Amino acid sequence: EVQLVESGGGLVQPGGSLRLSCGASGFTFSSYWMSWVRQAPGKGLEWVANIKKDGSETYYVDSVKGRFTVSRDNAKNSLYLQMNSLRADDTAIYFCARATLYLDWWGQGTLAIVSS
Amino acid sequence: DIQLTQSPSFLSASVGDRVTITCRASQGVRSYLAWYQQKPGQAPKLLVYATSTLQSGVPSRFSGSGSGTEFTLTISSLQPEDFATYYCQQLNTYPLTFGGGTKVEIK
Repeated sequence: EVQLVESGGGLVQPGGSLRLSCGASGFTFSSYWMSWVRQAPGKGLEWVANIKKDGSETYYVDSVKGRFTVSRDNAKNSLYLQMNSLRADDTAIYFCARATLYLDWWGQGTLAIVSS
Repeated sequence: DIQLTQSPSFLSASVGDRVTITCRASQGVRSYLAWYQQKPGQAPKLLVYATSTLQSGVPSRFSGSGSGTEFTLTISSLQPEDFATYYCQQLNTYPLTFGGGTKVEIK
Protein backbone atom coordinates (compact mmCIF):
# COMPACT_ATOMS: atom_id res chain seq x y z
CA GLU A 1 0.00 0.00 0.00
CA VAL A 2 1.20 3.50 -0.80
CA GLN A 3 2.25 5.44 2.28
CA LEU A 4 3.56 8.98 2.63
CA VAL A 5 4.64 10.16 6.07
CA GLU A 6 5.65 13.76 6.70
CA SER A 7 7.81 14.94 9.57
CA GLY A 8 9.85 17.93 10.63
CA GLY A 9 7.16 20.45 11.45
CA GLY A 10 7.20 22.51 14.61
CA LEU A 11 7.32 25.99 16.05
CA VAL A 12 9.87 28.40 14.61
CA GLN A 13 10.40 32.14 14.94
CA PRO A 14 9.90 34.49 11.99
CA GLY A 15 13.03 34.51 9.86
CA GLY A 16 13.92 30.99 10.94
CA SER A 17 14.20 27.74 9.03
CA LEU A 18 12.61 24.31 8.99
CA ARG A 19 13.29 21.22 6.95
CA LEU A 20 10.32 19.01 6.25
CA SER A 21 10.70 15.40 5.21
CA CYS A 22 8.34 12.96 3.54
CA GLY A 23 9.09 9.25 3.63
CA ALA A 24 7.53 7.17 0.87
CA SER A 25 6.77 3.46 0.70
CA GLY A 26 4.61 1.05 -1.24
CA PHE A 27 5.57 2.32 -4.68
CA THR A 28 8.64 2.99 -6.82
CA PHE A 29 9.45 6.47 -5.52
CA SER A 30 11.92 7.29 -8.29
CA SER A 31 9.22 6.83 -10.95
CA TYR A 32 7.02 9.66 -9.75
CA TRP A 33 7.00 13.43 -9.59
CA MET A 34 6.22 14.64 -6.08
CA SER A 35 4.45 17.69 -4.70
CA TRP A 36 4.17 19.76 -1.56
CA VAL A 37 0.80 21.36 -0.79
CA ARG A 38 -0.01 23.46 2.27
CA GLN A 39 -3.13 24.48 4.13
CA ALA A 40 -3.19 27.40 6.53
CA PRO A 41 -5.41 26.91 9.60
CA GLY A 42 -9.06 27.03 8.55
CA LYS A 43 -8.16 27.89 4.95
CA GLY A 44 -8.04 26.18 1.58
CA LEU A 45 -5.32 24.26 -0.20
CA GLU A 46 -2.29 25.93 -1.78
CA TRP A 47 0.14 24.13 -4.05
CA VAL A 48 3.73 24.91 -3.00
CA ALA A 49 6.20 22.97 -5.15
CA ASN A 50 6.76 20.12 -7.58
CA ILE A 51 9.87 18.09 -8.28
CA LYS A 52 10.57 15.81 -11.22
CA LYS A 53 11.33 12.11 -10.81
CA ASP A 54 15.09 12.60 -10.91
CA GLY A 55 15.10 15.99 -9.21
CA SER A 56 16.25 17.78 -12.35
CA GLU A 57 13.25 20.12 -12.52
CA THR A 58 11.51 22.02 -9.76
CA TYR A 59 8.59 24.44 -9.74
CA TYR A 60 7.33 26.75 -7.00
CA VAL A 61 4.47 29.06 -6.18
CA ASP A 62 5.68 32.67 -6.37
CA SER A 63 5.23 33.31 -2.65
CA VAL A 64 7.96 30.81 -1.71
CA LYS A 65 10.42 31.27 -4.57
CA GLY A 66 13.88 32.07 -3.27
CA ARG A 67 12.96 30.93 0.25
CA PHE A 68 11.91 27.28 -0.13
CA THR A 69 13.79 24.47 -1.85
CA VAL A 70 12.29 21.11 -2.75
CA SER A 71 14.63 18.15 -3.13
CA ARG A 72 14.56 14.38 -3.05
CA ASP A 73 16.77 11.40 -2.33
CA ASN A 74 15.56 8.49 -4.42
CA ALA A 75 17.94 6.10 -2.69
CA LYS A 76 16.22 6.90 0.61
CA ASN A 77 12.67 7.17 -0.85
CA SER A 78 12.47 10.62 0.67
CA LEU A 79 11.21 14.06 -0.31
CA TYR A 80 12.29 17.25 1.43
CA LEU A 81 11.23 20.87 1.72
CA GLN A 82 13.82 23.28 3.06
CA MET A 83 12.03 26.38 4.27
CA ASN A 84 14.10 29.49 5.02
CA SER A 85 13.21 33.07 5.93
CA LEU A 86 9.93 31.85 7.31
CA ARG A 87 7.06 34.29 7.78
CA ALA A 88 3.88 34.12 9.81
CA ASP A 89 1.86 33.47 6.67
CA ASP A 90 3.84 30.26 6.07
CA THR A 91 2.05 28.76 9.08
CA ALA A 92 0.22 25.74 7.71
CA ILE A 93 -0.10 22.00 7.53
CA TYR A 94 2.28 20.83 4.83
CA PHE A 95 1.25 17.77 2.85
CA CYS A 96 3.42 15.77 0.49
CA ALA A 97 1.65 14.08 -2.39
CA ARG A 98 2.48 11.71 -5.20
CA ALA A 99 2.02 13.48 -8.51
CA THR A 100 0.92 11.26 -11.37
CA LEU A 101 -0.09 14.41 -13.24
CA TYR A 102 -2.74 14.50 -10.52
CA LEU A 103 -2.16 14.23 -6.78
CA ASP A 104 -3.33 10.70 -6.22
CA TRP A 105 -1.85 9.89 -2.81
CA TRP A 106 -1.34 12.28 0.09
CA GLY A 107 0.36 12.07 3.45
CA GLN A 108 -1.37 13.20 6.63
CA GLY A 109 0.67 16.36 6.83
CA THR A 110 3.00 18.06 9.29
CA LEU A 111 2.21 21.35 10.99
CA ALA A 112 4.65 24.25 10.77
CA ILE A 113 3.94 27.25 13.00
CA VAL A 114 5.85 30.48 12.49
CA SER A 115 5.45 32.68 15.51
CA SER A 116 7.45 34.67 18.01
CA ASP B 1 -1.70 32.64 -12.80
CA ILE B 2 -4.91 30.72 -13.48
CA GLN B 3 -7.60 31.53 -10.94
CA LEU B 4 -10.21 28.90 -10.11
CA THR B 5 -13.53 30.12 -8.75
CA GLN B 6 -15.74 27.57 -7.08
CA SER B 7 -19.43 28.07 -6.48
CA PRO B 8 -21.11 27.88 -4.18
CA SER B 9 -18.57 28.22 -1.39
CA PHE B 10 -21.04 26.63 0.98
CA LEU B 11 -24.10 24.50 0.49
CA SER B 12 -26.54 22.84 2.80
CA ALA B 13 -28.15 19.67 1.50
CA SER B 14 -30.00 16.56 2.64
CA VAL B 15 -29.13 12.91 2.25
CA GLY B 16 -30.36 11.79 -1.15
CA ASP B 17 -30.08 15.22 -2.76
CA ARG B 18 -28.37 15.78 -6.09
CA VAL B 19 -25.53 18.25 -5.61
CA THR B 20 -23.58 20.16 -8.24
CA ILE B 21 -20.43 22.20 -7.62
CA THR B 22 -19.00 24.47 -10.30
CA CYS B 23 -15.38 25.43 -10.92
CA ARG B 24 -14.61 28.25 -13.36
CA ALA B 25 -11.10 28.90 -14.60
CA SER B 26 -9.79 32.32 -15.60
CA GLN B 27 -8.08 30.70 -18.61
CA GLY B 28 -8.52 27.43 -20.42
CA VAL B 29 -7.04 24.40 -18.67
CA ARG B 30 -7.88 21.85 -21.36
CA SER B 31 -8.91 18.69 -19.49
CA TYR B 32 -6.33 19.04 -16.70
CA LEU B 33 -8.85 19.52 -13.93
CA ALA B 34 -9.17 17.39 -10.79
CA TRP B 35 -11.51 17.27 -7.82
CA TYR B 36 -10.58 16.42 -4.26
CA GLN B 37 -12.61 15.72 -1.13
CA GLN B 38 -11.33 16.70 2.30
CA LYS B 39 -12.88 15.80 5.63
CA PRO B 40 -11.92 17.60 8.87
CA GLY B 41 -8.53 16.52 10.16
CA GLN B 42 -7.79 14.43 7.09
CA ALA B 43 -5.69 14.78 3.98
CA PRO B 44 -7.44 15.53 0.69
CA LYS B 45 -8.52 12.55 -1.38
CA LEU B 46 -8.53 12.49 -5.18
CA LEU B 47 -12.04 11.90 -6.55
CA VAL B 48 -11.93 12.81 -10.24
CA TYR B 49 -9.07 13.57 -12.63
CA ALA B 50 -8.81 14.58 -16.27
CA THR B 51 -12.16 16.37 -15.80
CA SER B 52 -14.31 13.25 -15.78
CA THR B 53 -12.30 10.12 -14.88
CA LEU B 54 -13.26 8.63 -11.55
CA GLN B 55 -10.32 7.64 -9.36
CA SER B 56 -10.24 3.95 -8.47
CA GLY B 57 -12.48 3.14 -5.52
CA VAL B 58 -14.57 6.31 -5.73
CA PRO B 59 -18.32 5.61 -5.73
CA SER B 60 -20.12 6.03 -9.03
CA ARG B 61 -22.48 8.65 -7.55
CA PHE B 62 -19.62 11.09 -8.12
CA SER B 63 -19.10 12.41 -11.64
CA GLY B 64 -17.18 15.21 -13.29
CA SER B 65 -17.77 17.08 -16.51
CA GLY B 66 -16.84 20.21 -18.39
CA SER B 67 -14.20 21.61 -20.68
CA GLY B 68 -12.07 24.67 -21.23
CA THR B 69 -12.97 27.00 -18.41
CA GLU B 70 -16.10 25.57 -16.81
CA PHE B 71 -16.26 22.32 -14.90
CA THR B 72 -18.68 20.60 -12.56
CA LEU B 73 -18.60 17.93 -9.90
CA THR B 74 -21.92 16.21 -9.34
CA ILE B 75 -22.98 13.92 -6.53
CA SER B 76 -26.10 12.15 -7.77
CA SER B 77 -27.44 11.11 -4.37
CA LEU B 78 -25.71 12.63 -1.36
CA GLN B 79 -24.69 10.14 1.31
CA PRO B 80 -23.80 10.85 4.96
CA GLU B 81 -20.12 10.21 4.28
CA ASP B 82 -20.09 12.85 1.51
CA PHE B 83 -20.37 15.79 3.88
CA ALA B 84 -16.97 17.38 3.40
CA THR B 85 -15.16 20.18 1.60
CA TYR B 86 -14.49 19.80 -2.11
CA TYR B 87 -11.69 21.46 -4.08
CA CYS B 88 -10.97 21.69 -7.78
CA GLN B 89 -7.39 21.95 -9.04
CA GLN B 90 -5.93 22.79 -12.43
CA LEU B 91 -2.75 21.04 -13.50
CA ASN B 92 -2.45 22.58 -16.96
CA THR B 93 -0.11 25.44 -16.12
CA TYR B 94 2.35 26.34 -13.37
CA PRO B 95 1.72 27.54 -10.77
CA LEU B 96 -0.78 24.80 -10.11
CA THR B 97 -3.83 26.29 -8.43
CA PHE B 98 -6.80 25.16 -6.35
CA GLY B 99 -10.26 26.58 -6.10
CA GLY B 100 -11.33 28.12 -2.81
CA GLY B 101 -13.37 25.08 -1.80
CA THR B 102 -17.03 24.18 -1.38
CA LYS B 103 -18.17 23.03 2.03
CA VAL B 104 -21.11 20.62 1.89
CA GLU B 105 -23.05 20.46 5.13
CA ILE B 106 -26.09 18.59 6.36
CA LYS B 107 -29.38 20.46 6.13
